[in-house]
Amino acid sequence: DAGVIQSPRHEVTEMGQEVTLRCKPISGHNSLFWYRQTMMRGLELLIYFNNNVPIDDSGMPEDRFSAKMPNASFSTLKIQPSEPRDSAVYFCATRTGGPGELFFGEGSRLTVL
Amino acid sequence: DQQVKQNSPSLSVQEGRISILNCDYTNSMFDYFLWYKKYPAEGPTFLISISSIKDKNEDGRFTVFLNKSAKHLSLHIVPSQPGDSAVYFCAARDNTDKLIFGTGTRLQVFP
Repeated sequence: DAGVIQSPRHEVTEMGQEVTLRCKPISGHNSLFWYRQTMMRGLELLIYFNNNVPIDDSGMPEDRFSAKMPNASFSTLKIQPSEPRDSAVYFCATRTGGPGELFFGEGSRLTVL
Repeated sequence: DQQVKQNSPSLSVQEGRISILNCDYTNSMFDYFLWYKKYPAEGPTFLISISSIKDKNEDGRFTVFLNKSAKHLSLHIVPSQPGDSAVYFCAARDNTDKLIFGTGTRLQVFP
């Protein structure tokens, strides 16, 4: 099993540019979570999907952030326009239904200059 | 507001000694708690968990204790090894099935 696959691993962009982060979940996992890691807030939940449907997006910081899950094998997190304060590591995590543990990808490190 | 708090950003322990990492939470509806371990440039990996109906769960060198009345849990690692040096995140599951994480504690185990 390849695990949760995220791309890109690193992204450096300039303020105002659009950023798209991608995630391929583990096959058979029907819940997908996007987290952001910062020093101040630790691992902060942005949004999660269950069976491709967004269940809770209350953690999305503002309208500049959007996430989609068009099918069971792909999700994107988009920031448009990006700002320097968006610089962080973004993690995608998935699990099977129920209280099972989350499996994390290796993260996408975003730097907005 | 932070529902899951790890008030110690870092901890340094000598190899062979016990490491105790602490976590406090505010939401009494949390029913399941987990600890994750994270190495640099990697994603967090699951370490150990405990249901709210228990007060202790043990797995090898790792033991998690839950004190529901104090809304406090702790992770004990004994004996500590240099390979345990990592950032440890506490997480709690709420009644909407989300996992809420703390800010993490960086553990350093020195020889």
